[in-house]
Amino acid sequence: QQQVKQSPQSLIVQKGGISIINCAYENTAFDYFPWYQQFPGKGPALLIAIRPDVSEKKEGRFTISFNKSAKQFSLHIMDSQPGDSATYFCAAIKRKAGNMLTFGGGTRLMVKP
Amino acid sequence: EAGVAQSPRYKIIEKRQSVAFWCNPISGHATLYWYQQILGQGPKLLIQFQNNGVVDDSQLPKDRFSAERLKGVDSTLKIQPAKLEDSAVYLCASSSVGGASEAFFGQGTRLTVV
Repeated sequence: QQQVKQSPQSLIVQKGGISIINCAYENTAFDYFPWYQQFPGKGPALLIAIRPDVSEKKEGRFTISFNKSAKQFSLHIMDSQPGDSATYFCAAIKRKAGNMLTFGGGTRLMVKP
Repeated sequence: EAGVAQSPRYKIIEKRQSVAFWCNPISGHATLYWYQQILGQGPKLLIQFQNNGVVDDSQLPKDRFSAERLKGVDSTLKIQPAKLEDSAVYLCASSSVGGASEAFFGQGTRLTVV
């Protein structure tokens, strides 16, 4: 059973456009929500994270929107650049269960120049 | 601050052989994770340690996979005997207890079983 569902699986965006990736979870025990970026041949790297008591968090061109009642959260990449082309994973953590970290299935983003 | 170190980077073995992976977490990080990432999929948790105790190993195929974290620092993951479907990238990550709780990943070991 997939605890964190992510969509779309792949995304193509023109340079300068907005990339939007969505995630949904079921287990209300999750209490922290990071996003990871992964380039080929590398391990996932933390991009940005949000607590469930916050509805939005912005860091540079990256914004997380969080809807606690719908159990959904999304990543928006503004002014997308070719260097943003990578695979993005949403994740959810149960901090009270020893920081148990569960990943979504991933979104392969391609930003065309 | 040094990151999570993993070795080897690549390994090719024949089915039914054994293999071991090593991980050195970020200094001071009590939590250590091993993930399996099959091509095109998200990482799947195999086992999670806090210090040298196991927090979760519910998805570890215990008939062939084993892991240990002696002294609560370095960890090794072993597969014996390997199957073709074990071909994947094995990722190690670590995090501190409490605080922001983000996990930091190593570059992974790419295993090919032929």
